[in-house]
This record gives sequence, structure tokens and C-alpha cells, in this order.
Amino acid sequence: DAGVIQSPRHEVTEMGQEVTLRCKPISGHDYLFWYRQTMMRGLELLIYFNNNVPIDDSGMPEDRFSAKMPNASFSTLKIQPSEPRDSAVYFCASSLRVAGELFFGEGSRLTVL
Amino acid sequence: AQRVTQPEKLLSVFKGAPVELKCNYSYSGSPELFWYVQYSRQRLQLLLRHISRESIKGFTADLNKGETSFHLKKPFAQEEDSAMYYCALVNRETSGSRLTFGEGTQLTVNP
Repeated sequence: DAGVIQSPRHEVTEMGQEVTLRCKPISGHDYLFWYRQTMMRGLELLIYFNNNVPIDDSGMPEDRFSAKMPNASFSTLKIQPSEPRDSAVYFCASSLRVAGELFFGEGSRLTVL
Repeated sequence: AQRVTQPEKLLSVFKGAPVELKCNYSYSGSPELFWYVQYSRQRLQLLLRHISRESIKGFTADLNKGETSFHLKKPFAQEEDSAMYYCALVNRETSGSRLTFGEGTQLTVNP
């Protein structure tokens, strides 16, 4: 297995544009997590899914952020409209158990100008 | 509220020196704690968990419930230990369990 796959690896966009980040979890993992990494706050959980169903989205900053998981092998995190303060590295992770070992993707580095 | 605190954002030591990365937590129940590590140009990955009581790459971490700490220690640091380290707590709330991470500590081991 290639592990958790994220795309794009880097994204530079202008304020107001829509950004879509994609994630393919490890096959067989029932849990999928989206984290945001910044120097000031470290790793923040945005949302997580269990069997494609969103369980906890309390970490989603505001209505500009949305996440979907249409099937077991694909998830998206969308920001619309994007703002400069959204600039961060966004990680996707999957696991067999909700509190089990997390397997992270390489991250998507987002820069909003 | 359950939270994890890593008081040092940056830590620099010399090769061969002991290193301790601090982690404090606040949690009302029985805690489950982990250390994750991110080496340069590599994925964030699990380093060790307190349940296993194991030593990984020379690192150990002891859960101290009295001090609510889970500090990561290594007696002799190596240059390849330079990385970002995150302490994490299993956060069991009514909305579901998940890992809560600290802010991270960037460790630099100088030659």
C-alpha cells in the first residue's frame, strides 16, 4: 500500500478562490481525519469520518470550510472562499481505530495570497 | 477541557547530550498518550505510545499521573533525531474519541 495519498502537494491561490484538497486513505481503514498544521497552533483536528460518515466537525473553523467523504477511498476538504489566514499545511490521516495509530499523508501546503 | 501542552516550541542540544521534550496534559479520566515525530521531508509518524512502555530509537517516555506529564527522553541525542515532535492525547468526549495534539517541539541536534 502506498499509504495515505494527498493532492495537491502544494497549492498557491489568491484570496477569494476556491480550494479543494484531496485524500485517499489506506485501504481498509475505517477512520479518516483532516488536520491543519500551523506554527502557532500545531496540529488541529478539523473533522473526522467513520465509515464515510462525519463524526466530529467541531474543529472546522467556519462555514467556508467543508469536507466530504463520498466513498471509502476518497475524501475532500474544500475552502470557499479562501483567505490568507487559511495558509497552512493540511494533513489527512487514516486509522483502523478512532484512537489507534494514525497514518498520515505527506500533507498539502496551501498558500493564499 | 482535555488538552496537551508542549511548553517549548524550539529545543536545541548538542550531539551526545541528553534531551528531554516536555509534555503536560490535562485530562479527567485515564489518559492514553503518544509521541509522534516528523523528520524532514518525511511523513508524520508514530514514535511511541505509553501503553507499550517501549524504547524506540533510544527514546522513552514515562507517564507521570501525579505531575500529569509524559516527557520524552533520550540519554544521548543524535543528529538524526532532529525533527518536529508532537505529544498527543486520546480525547474521549461525548462527541467521540480522537487524538488531541500539542503545539509541537522542533528539536535540533547540533554536531
